[in-house]
Amino acid sequence: DAKTTQPPSMDCAEGRAANLPCNHSTISGNEYVYWYRQIHSQGPQYIIHGLKNNETNEMASLIITEDRKSSTLILPHATLRDTAVYYCIVRVATTNAGKSTFGDGTTLTVKP
Amino acid sequence: DGGITQSPKYLFRKEGQNVTLSCEQNLNHDAMYWYRQDPGQGLRLIYYSQIVNDFQKGDIAEGYSVSREKKESFPLTVTSAQKNPTAFYLCASSITSTTKETQYFGPGTRLLVL
Repeated sequence: DAKTTQPPSMDCAEGRAANLPCNHSTISGNEYVYWYRQIHSQGPQYIIHGLKNNETNEMASLIITEDRKSSTLILPHATLRDTAVYYCIVRVATTNAGKSTFGDGTTLTVKP
Repeated sequence: DGGITQSPKYLFRKEGQNVTLSCEQNLNHDAMYWYRQDPGQGLRLIYYSQIVNDFQKGDIAEGYSVSREKKESFPLTVTSAQKNPTAFYLCASSITSTTKETQYFGPGTRLLVL
């Protein structure tokens, strides 16, 4: 699975959009980009995933660059409850999810 | 409600003692996983199981053991051979479709050594 690089921390004002970047320059053609988040002392929660097209669901939007070497998770209107560690993971969709590498992620702090 | 349950939420272990962490899921998922998380760090895979009566070692299996006798249950035993067991333990399960394999995590068990 491709390695990802994320900034260790970011701040965002409540009500503003939070844009979390992820670099995955060695991504392969059949690898998806997944995003999870982990609120303090809880299990990680799936947010969104995509292959090459931009994706949107009720939680977030995922923007993947045309060369697929980087992506951005967008929380359109961040709330205090969005404060969490966000993990960007790249892997082949149908392989064993247990081989996913959860690095240190980005700690997002939403401030009032 | 469907989901993954882990018990207990907190667990204390004495030196030289084996302890077992419970993980149960009613999502009808085939695959189940155990991760360890140390403070300020990401998740590291201990063991995983893709089917009943079968499991594989992850990246840090030494000092741990598992069993998968039932589809819905995947208990983890932390043995006395694990010299630094204090950590947050997370269980997960997943189902595979043609386009994605998303993991669902339990609430975690925090293990402390006395």
